[in-house]
Amino acid sequence: GAVVSQHPSRVICKSGTSVKIECRSLDFQATTMFWYRQFPKQSLMLMATSNEGSKATYEQGVEKDKFLINHASLTLSTLTVTSAHPEDSSFYICSARSGTPQFFGPGTRLTVL
Amino acid sequence: QKEVEQDPGPLSVPEGAIVSLNCTYSNSAFQYFMWYRQYSRKGPELLMYTYSSGNKEDGRFTAQVDKSSKYISLFIRDSQPSDSATYLCAMMIGGQNFVFGPGTRLSVLP
Repeated sequence: GAVVSQHPSRVICKSGTSVKIECRSLDFQATTMFWYRQFPKQSLMLMATSNEGSKATYEQGVEKDKFLINHASLTLSTLTVTSAHPEDSSFYICSARSGTPQFFGPGTRLTVL
Repeated sequence: QKEVEQDPGPLSVPEGAIVSLNCTYSNSAFQYFMWYRQYSRKGPELLMYTYSSGNKEDGRFTAQVDKSSKYISLFIRDSQPSDSATYLCAMMIGGQNFVFGPGTRLSVLP
């Protein structure tokens, strides 16, 4: 099946710093990439959808200035959490698709101290 | 009414049991149906992907879609402790409107 990678798998940062998470589709070109966050024992919450070369579409309640998404190529999307605060600590998961099913990355655990 | 409903569980079964996981949905326009498995602290893994009504089998897994009843199921035969995870159903309309169910937590006890 299609493989999606994320980097880093885990990051710990101080409050006020910015963190960048990369999402790559390794063996296919992703026309669309998605970013989710997940709190413990809760379901995935879609944050934004991005198409290569265009601005991301953010879900209601997600601050686009805080969660910057760049989808510069068909195999790479990045999520930057700007001025991170402890409440941004969560599990961030990307997914990618070219065609119908989405394929998910392994996730990035962000801890903001 | 939520678009996709799924019993959150937890569902506990003994090893070797047949597991039945189900989702119901309200939007008859959904065309594509998927089942994902998510282990704790990992991203979801695609297990099954179906388009039409009927059954699709892959090893110990069988996905069943009944569009007339707006009901999909995933059956796991000869369940193993390694099957313990959260199972998420998902569905799409064309290439858009991807919707997840909330997930069912499954525990297979040795």
